[in-house]
Amino acid sequence: DQQVKQNSPSLSVQEGRISILNCDYTNSMFDYFLWYKKYPAEGPTFLISISSIKDKNEDGRFTVFLNKSAKHLSLHIVPSQPGDSAVYFCAASHLYNTDKLIFGTGTRLQVFP
Amino acid sequence: DTAVSQTPKYLVTQMGNDKSIKCEQNLGHDTMYWYKQDSKKFLKIMFSYNNKELIINETVPNRFSPKSPDKAHLNLHINSLELGDSAVYFCASSRGTGGNQPQHFGDGTRLSIL
Repeated sequence: DQQVKQNSPSLSVQEGRISILNCDYTNSMFDYFLWYKKYPAEGPTFLISISSIKDKNEDGRFTVFLNKSAKHLSLHIVPSQPGDSAVYFCAASHLYNTDKLIFGTGTRLQVFP
Repeated sequence: DTAVSQTPKYLVTQMGNDKSIKCEQNLGHDTMYWYKQDSKKFLKIMFSYNNKELIINETVPNRFSPKSPDKAHLNLHINSLELGDSAVYFCASSRGTGGNQPQHFGDGTRLSIL
């Protein structure tokens, strides 16, 4: 039972354009959402997060949007750069089990020149 | 100046053997974790320790035993290795518990069982 889903296994975007990575979840008790970036042979690196009381959080080129009614969040990268090419994982934590992160299966982003 | 370091990076061994993976963090964090990433790239938590105390133990076979000698270390010992244990194992740490405490990951240990 996969509670956090990233339905697009891969995404290819031209440099300078916007990258939009999507994530859906099923558990309405999730209250914190995080995005991690992972390069090959390295561990995931924290990118940006959002609390369920907000609908948007921005950090430089990265913005995360949360639509609680649709149980959907997205990560926008503008402008996309070749160095952004990596696997992006969406993760969620439960209101009453905050230590446990539930990860999606990731989306591989490729930014080409 | 690695924040979360795991050793070894690669581990190739035969079925039935016992092996350990070590993890150390120099971030001064209170909470440490072990995750398993299987062949489908699904990253799933196995254990979490806060101040050397076990707080999460997912439905992991008891062949897996974590040990935390101090706050900065969380080692993973695996007995009687099976083919299905082949995966990448990630250690992580965070300042405290809670979804708003981002976890910092090591680079993983790729375990291959022959």
